Amino acid sequence: GQQVMQIPQYQHVQEGEDFTTYCNSSTTLSNIQWYKQRPGGHPVFLIQLVKSGEVKKQKRLTFQFGEAKKNSSLHITATQTTDVGTYFCAGRSGGSNYKLTFGKGTLLTVNP
Amino acid sequence: NAGVMQNPRHLVRRRGQEARLRCSPMKGHSHVYWYRQLPEEGLKFMVYLQKENIIDESGMPKERFSAEFPKEGPSILRIQQVVRGDSAAYFCASSPIGQETQYFGPGTRLLVL
Repeated sequence: GQQVMQIPQYQHVQEGEDFTTYCNSSTTLSNIQWYKQRPGGHPVFLIQLVKSGEVKKQKRLTFQFGEAKKNSSLHITATQTTDVGTYFCAGRSGGSNYKLTFGKGTLLTVNP
Repeated sequence: NAGVMQNPRHLVRRRGQEARLRCSPMKGHSHVYWYRQLPEEGLKFMVYLQKENIIDESGMPKERFSAEFPKEGPSILRIQQVVRGDSAAYFCASSPIGQETQYFGPGTRLLVL
């Protein structure tokens, strides 16, 4: 079945440093979504990418979808302590318009 | 507009007991999804339901687990004869017809002693 791998598993940065998490799928995706989960919280939808090579920005967050629609990345510029949490990617394959396959997530901690 | 609601937020059960987890989707949402999250893991799809219909239960264990979304009332995820390995966070998500974005509830943390 479809697998979504995410690296790194953990990332600790100093406040102000940049952060990137990478997501790779074993199959071509129809779209990919990114979620953020604070410790003890629930996943909160951040964004969806649909087009090959798509790049979207939300303030300090930049999301990319690979040309082959099999990989994606999330980059945070100048991290803040409020960025702490686990960032998950979740992909949809062409055969389903609802089933999301989640990566294991990257836990980001930020040292003030 | 209230978000997705789940209760209880925390549930403790002894082995062999039953666990009932409830999910009320956002107003206007008719699609409900259940996911399970083990510690330091991603979310694993369990089941997708629409009102009175199970659309896809391919992620549900074959035994002890069942789900329903009745015409009236919340969606229920039922785990019979719980075992320690059932301890996890169970998240419900909902979406409206025609939209792919899923909105997650706060989850139910199940602990089996």
